[in-house]
Amino acid sequence: DIQMTQSPSFVSASVGDRVTITCRASQGISSWLAWYQQKPGKAPKLLIYAASSLQSGVPSRFSGSGSGTDFTLTISSLQPEDFATYYCQQANSFPYTFGQGTKLEIK
Amino acid sequence: EVQVVESGGGLVQPGRSLRLSCAASGFTFDNYAMHWVRQAPGKGLEWVSGISWNSGNIGYADSVKGRFTISRDNAKNSLYLQMNSLRSEDMALYYCAKPAAGYPGVFDDWGQGTLVTVSS
Repeated sequence: DIQMTQSPSFVSASVGDRVTITCRASQGISSWLAWYQQKPGKAPKLLIYAASSLQSGVPSRFSGSGSGTDFTLTISSLQPEDFATYYCQQANSFPYTFGQGTKLEIK
Repeated sequence: EVQVVESGGGLVQPGRSLRLSCAASGFTFDNYAMHWVRQAPGKGLEWVSGISWNSGNIGYADSVKGRFTISRDNAKNSLYLQMNSLRSEDMALYYCAKPAAGYPGVFDDWGQGTLVTVSS
């Protein structure tokens, strides 16, 4: 199985900050990588697919990059509604696997 | 509008069975693979199982393989998860998830989940 490791697990930041979350796959997954945002009590929301493609309706301050085993999610200027937990997920092969999550909190 | 609505969760004793259902609407169900993803209380997301549009390709997480069975009925626009030999570690909110067009392993529509509690 492909293991997905996110870092950091927790980040504290302020409105307007630039934040980067990284995700590493235990083996190459080309660009088969998605990012999700989850707020408490809500279902996850797709942000990025194919490593760098922005899902329709997602603000352009979100961006993704990477291929192979190393990926990043960047939020260019944090807004109050961005404080949530973020997950990466490999969509290369069964069993699909998620990273452990990164909780983004207000400093 | 795409909708997926889960049902069938509840309280069940360890070792017993439960069947989850997901009713889909607002899209051509038999054009898409479908998936179950779960989240234990206070924990992260775990993909559980997925099934291709024609049931020809099925996958399971190692943690449920041999105990859970995914199926679908395209005539009823419905997805199912038969869960046998339930364990305390299966206790979670179970989401039904529809993949994005052209990306069978990327989930762009989710239900609100159905809660499975495993306890004696």
